[in-house]
Amino acid sequence: GENVEQHPSTLSVQEGDSAVIKCTYSDSASNYFPWYKQELGKRPQLIIDIRSNVGEKKDQRIAVTLNKTAKHFSLHITETQPEDSAVYFCAASGRPAVRQLTFGSGTQLTVLP
Amino acid sequence: NAGVTQTPKFRILKIGQSMTLQCAQDMNHNYMYWYRQDPGMGLKLIYYSVGAGITDKGEVPNGYNVSRSTTEDFPLRLELAAPSQTSVYFCASSYSTGVWDYEQYFGPGTRLTVT
Repeated sequence: GENVEQHPSTLSVQEGDSAVIKCTYSDSASNYFPWYKQELGKRPQLIIDIRSNVGEKKDQRIAVTLNKTAKHFSLHITETQPEDSAVYFCAASGRPAVRQLTFGSGTQLTVLP
Repeated sequence: NAGVTQTPKFRILKIGQSMTLQCAQDMNHNYMYWYRQDPGMGLKLIYYSVGAGITDKGEVPNGYNVSRSTTEDFPLRLELAAPSQTSVYFCASSYSTGVWDYEQYFGPGTRLTVT
């Protein structure tokens, strides 16, 4: 089955700096890669996703890049703000036929004011 | 739309007790999922369903059972609760109109403690 590894597990940045979180996946058949943000005590919420037919997608301060050859994808947050502090999870569609996602272990991002 | 709803929000069980975690969605989604999230960890898939009457095991199904008699509801049954089942449980759903439609919508979660 699919295996997703996520790094780093914790990340601290100064407000206004950029943050990058990286994930690798194992199943070359995976074709959908979402990123979820989870604030303390809340449910995971989708912030951005990318399909395997594109290499990059951007939404305001957030961008995701995908390298299918190397089987890795990354989340980039620019001009970080204190409200960006949360746990971020990457995921990959390990079994497209059943819309199943395999999640990474998460990155605790702390934006220091 | 209420989206995905879960009850209860919190529950404390004694070892050996049983309970059912309720999950419902009003978005007419075919796909539904149950995950558990242990402290500081990612989400692990317990069971999933691709439609009414169809369920299958995920990564960590032992100690759990599910049923899907309607499109809207997907309850998770814990039999003989054990401390290892202390976790936060999330239900999610997804629509299936096309090859690329994967977005999963999560419920608010149920925090379960087994003592």
